[in-house]
Amino acid sequence: GQQLNQSPQSMFIQEGEDVSMNCTSSSIFNTWLWYKQEPGEGPVLLIALYKAGELTSNGRLTAQFGITRKDSFLNISASIPSDVGIYFCAGQLPYSGNTPLVFGKGTRLSVIA
Amino acid sequence: KAGVTQTPRYLIKTRGQQVTLSCSPISGHRSVSWYQQTPGQGLQFLFEYFSETQRNKGNFPGRFSGRQFSNSRSEMNVSTLELGDSALYLCASSLGDREETFGPGTRLLVL
Repeated sequence: GQQLNQSPQSMFIQEGEDVSMNCTSSSIFNTWLWYKQEPGEGPVLLIALYKAGELTSNGRLTAQFGITRKDSFLNISASIPSDVGIYFCAGQLPYSGNTPLVFGKGTRLSVIA
Repeated sequence: KAGVTQTPRYLIKTRGQQVTLSCSPISGHRSVSWYQQTPGQGLQFLFEYFSETQRNKGNFPGRFSGRQFSNSRSEMNVSTLELGDSALYLCASSLGDREETFGPGTRLLVL
């Protein structure tokens, strides 16, 4: 089936550093979503993107819907210990009907205080 | 408002048994999706129900089935459990768009 290539797989950063992760696909998507999952919990929606080129912020988080519609990135500025978790990208293919989301395999973020 | 709830949170079964997991969506949400999450495969879509009808289905064998009730609550069933079915099963609800809210999941261990 469809896959999203998410990178990096894991990151170890110092508190206060900025973080960047991205997702790419060989297919065009019409929706990109970014989720964060903490241990023992389900993923929580961080940012939703619906238009090519769209740049959206949520506090220290910023995500962009790539202009080619085949990629998206998520930036976290001035990381703090509570940013630790697994970040997933998800996309929806532009077929007719309400197609399900396709998820990347996640970026595991560790923040060293 | 209350989030998505899933029961039970943890479950241990043996091979060959069957299991039923339950999901109560956010009030007013009519779409419920189910996902299987494993370390190797990540989040894999199982199926989606909307207004008691299966709207989408992923690439899982027929041992995996689900249903949705008139109050939007949903159940998924796995029959003839295999060791590889051990996973975190996540339920997500939405108004029908793709901004899904996930529950905490049911962690299933098959021995």
